[in-house]
Amino acid sequence: GEDVEQSLFLSVREGDSSVINCTYTDSSSTYLYWYKQEPGAGLQLLTYIFSNMDMKQDQRLTVLLNKKDKHLSLRIADTQTGDSAIYFCAESRYGGSQGNLIFGKGTKLSVKP
Amino acid sequence: NAGVMQNPRHLVRRRGQEARLRCSPVKGHSHVYWYRQLPEEGLKFMVYLQKENIIDESGMPKERFSAEFPKEGPSILRIQQVVRGDSAAYFCASSPQTQNTEAFFGQGTRLTVV
Repeated sequence: GEDVEQSLFLSVREGDSSVINCTYTDSSSTYLYWYKQEPGAGLQLLTYIFSNMDMKQDQRLTVLLNKKDKHLSLRIADTQTGDSAIYFCAESRYGGSQGNLIFGKGTKLSVKP
Repeated sequence: NAGVMQNPRHLVRRRGQEARLRCSPVKGHSHVYWYRQLPEEGLKFMVYLQKENIIDESGMPKERFSAEFPKEGPSILRIQQVVRGDSAAYFCASSPQTQNTEAFFGQGTRLTVV
């Protein structure tokens, strides 16, 4: 199938690191994405990684890709209450295109003060 | 510098009515994508349009749903004879081109069918 799987909930304390995991199915996917959705809002692209990379770091965000296991993770360092949101993992159906994406169901991150 | 604008934000329709959802892409963007998000689900791709052309409608239900992106004006997602199962959030995204460029999402239209 073409499911992207994510755990549904994650709860952390403010200041801790959060790690959100995702598994995907299409080994030919060239780009993998992380989006953030706050309540009542649209999706905001956080970061993406090209499939020939193992890791990408962008300020507090670190993306790790294990292509062999089709496993993607997003680490948020020093998690803040403003990071509370739903985080979606997505893979591209066509190389590089962000228009036709397959999304996971989202991981709801709750940050406790 | 407006982003993707969708309207209405909330739409209530009775079963059997028509729903028209509008999406104005970012100025200068010629590619539009529609997604549907059912409650507690991720987004599902519906259709990809360029100006006046449907490029990929593999995610569109075969009946009652149609989409257009005319030369002038917003993209329209039209749902005829709505049923309760059509209740969802419908998101539009736009990009200037398909390869290696970010698609910007609107805030969505939340359709409720009563």
